[in-house]
Amino acid sequence: DVKVTQSSRYLVKRTGEKVFLECVQDMDHENMFWYRQDPGLGLRLIYFSYDVKMKEKGDIPEGYSVSREKKERFSLILESASTNQTSMYLCASSLAPSAGGADTQYFGPGTRLTVL
Amino acid sequence: GEDVEQSLFLSVREGDSSVINCTYTDSSSTYLYWYKQEPGAGLQLLTYIFSNMDMKQDQRLTVLLNKKDKHLSLRIADTQTGDSAIYFCAEYQKGNTPLVFGKGTRLSVIA
Repeated sequence: DVKVTQSSRYLVKRTGEKVFLECVQDMDHENMFWYRQDPGLGLRLIYFSYDVKMKEKGDIPEGYSVSREKKERFSLILESASTNQTSMYLCASSLAPSAGGADTQYFGPGTRLTVL
Repeated sequence: GEDVEQSLFLSVREGDSSVINCTYTDSSSTYLYWYKQEPGAGLQLLTYIFSNMDMKQDQRLTVLLNKKDKHLSLRIADTQTGDSAIYFCAEYQKGNTPLVFGKGTRLSVIA
């Protein structure tokens, strides 16, 4: 079974703090993703990565950065946390699809971040 | 751009069938997915269908695909209280691009 783990289930931080959210997958997947989930807005893609040291902006990258130094680990960084970044953060990974293949994503359990 | 559309809420009685509908955006999408999210948890892959299929059945789950109308549905037979969750549909459009998700349908099962 694919396993995607996230470093914390719940996190409380103060405005202005630098926050690191870690995600690790154990299935040698090339692709990794960070989403945030807010009521009524569904999942919104923040950043994704198709390989080590590569990153691509998603739909809402502002206020976030990412790091992928190793294939299995994808970190989301909030340089200076703000209250509007209070949300549920979900990490996912997938195998790079071969021709005609799919991008089946597997999700971690999520980190609920509260910024006070 | 266009969004993957789902109704936000659905309420059914225990034992009835549930049908969750989704309209996707790209007629050339190759794979369509259904994910389930229980309270406080991540998304769990339920099933997916390849675009050359019209129907896929897996125990209590039936997926129907109408490519002409870009319409996907998930039917849950004999709905149980444990089926209460948010259900997301998603489409895979092309060439290693991220999945495009709908906003999710919250299914409430009334005992």
